Amino acid sequence: KQEVTQIPAALSVPEGENLVLNCSFTDSAIYNLQWFRQDPGKGLTSLLLIQSSQREQTSGRLNASLDKSSGRSTLYIAASQPGDSATYLCAVRGGYQKVTFGTGTKLQVIP
Amino acid sequence: DAGITQSPRYKITETGRQVTLMCHQTWSHSYMFWYRQDLGHGLRLIYYSAAADITDKGEVPDGYVVSRSKTENFPLTLESATRSQTSVYFCASSLSGGNTDTQYFGPGTRLTVL
Repeated sequence: KQEVTQIPAALSVPEGENLVLNCSFTDSAIYNLQWFRQDPGKGLTSLLLIQSSQREQTSGRLNASLDKSSGRSTLYIAASQPGDSATYLCAVRGGYQKVTFGTGTKLQVIP
Repeated sequence: DAGITQSPRYKITETGRQVTLMCHQTWSHSYMFWYRQDLGHGLRLIYYSAAADITDKGEVPDGYVVSRSKTENFPLTLESATRSQTSVYFCASSLSGGNTDTQYFGPGTRLTVL
């Protein structure tokens, strides 16, 4: 059974810092890995999707990497801003549309 | 462009009652999904649908029923609600279920079963 772990569960950083969020998974047989952002009381917003054949994806200040063999992904956020404060979730997709989510990292960026 | 909507946004019901949560998408996406989100468990897939009249179980389907008579709608029914079904429910959709497909999520329904 796939298990997805995100460490740390919460993170507080001053504005302007570069930061890394971690995601690990137990079964490397995945189709893709997605990073989502969730704001309080809201749904999930997709940030980046990395296919299993890819190593990284970039969008603006965000960069996500994938190392399937070691079962790890990182989300790098450059020059963090207070508006980045949210919970970040990673999700891995296996066969038959089975998507397993981590429990998230709650990020607070302090002005 | 409404995207994906859920109704109601908040619902309080009693144990044993039937409850239906609605999900509607305007993109004509083939795939639709229902998840529940609970503290300590993350999001877990309840049911998904590949097209109208095609549905399949996810990780936690017990106590739930789905139907999909139209591509744009995917209602989730709790036939006899239990307190353990208190949760936040999210509906999602994706274009074709392919490896490059992003899932788009609705705003969620917070359900409380007393």
